[in-house]
Amino acid sequence: AIQLTQSPSSLSASVGDRVTITCRASQDISSTLAWYQQKLGKPPNLLIYGASTLKSGVPSRFSGSGSGTDFTLTISSLQPEDFATYFCQQFNTYPLTFGGGTKVEIK
Amino acid sequence: EGQLLESGGDLVQPGGSLRLSCAASGFTFSVYPMNWVRQAPGKGLEWVATISDLAGSTLYADSVKGRFTISRDDSRNTLHLQMNSLTAADTAVYFCAKDIGGWDAFDLWGQGTMVTVSS
Repeated sequence: AIQLTQSPSSLSASVGDRVTITCRASQDISSTLAWYQQKLGKPPNLLIYGASTLKSGVPSRFSGSGSGTDFTLTISSLQPEDFATYFCQQFNTYPLTFGGGTKVEIK
Repeated sequence: EGQLLESGGDLVQPGGSLRLSCAASGFTFSVYPMNWVRQAPGKGLEWVATISDLAGSTLYADSVKGRFTISRDDSRNTLHLQMNSLTAADTAVYFCAKDIGGWDAFDLWGQGTMVTVSS
């Protein structure tokens, strides 16, 4: 199975900060990567798919980049509602796999 | 945009069975692959199973293969997950999730239903 390694596992940041989360795949997955945001007690919410395509309705401060094995989710200016856990997921090969998550906390 | 509503979660003894359902509304259910994803308490997300549109094919995580069966009833816009031989490791919130249409993201999720396996 393809392993996805997210880093960092957690981070503390302030409102207005630029935040970058990395997802590294154990093998080439082209651009078949999605990013989700999950708040406590809620289901995940799709942010980005195809590594860089923003889902309709998602704020433009979110962006994704990368291909092959290295991917990045960037929040250009962190907002109070962005404090949550973020997961990446690969769709290149079954079994589908998720990264371990990155918890973004308030500094 | 649509809605997904899971049901059927419960407390069940080890070795027991449970059937989860996911009622879909607000979109053309039959044309989309559908999925189950679970999340153990305080843990990350684990893909469980996928069923293609027209129920042409099914795929399972190794951890549930041979014990779980995903199915769909397009006439009732409902997704199911039959879970047999349950163990404590199956304890989790189970989410149903809709494929975006290109097999490359899950764009609609239900709120989840809790399955607890314990004696």
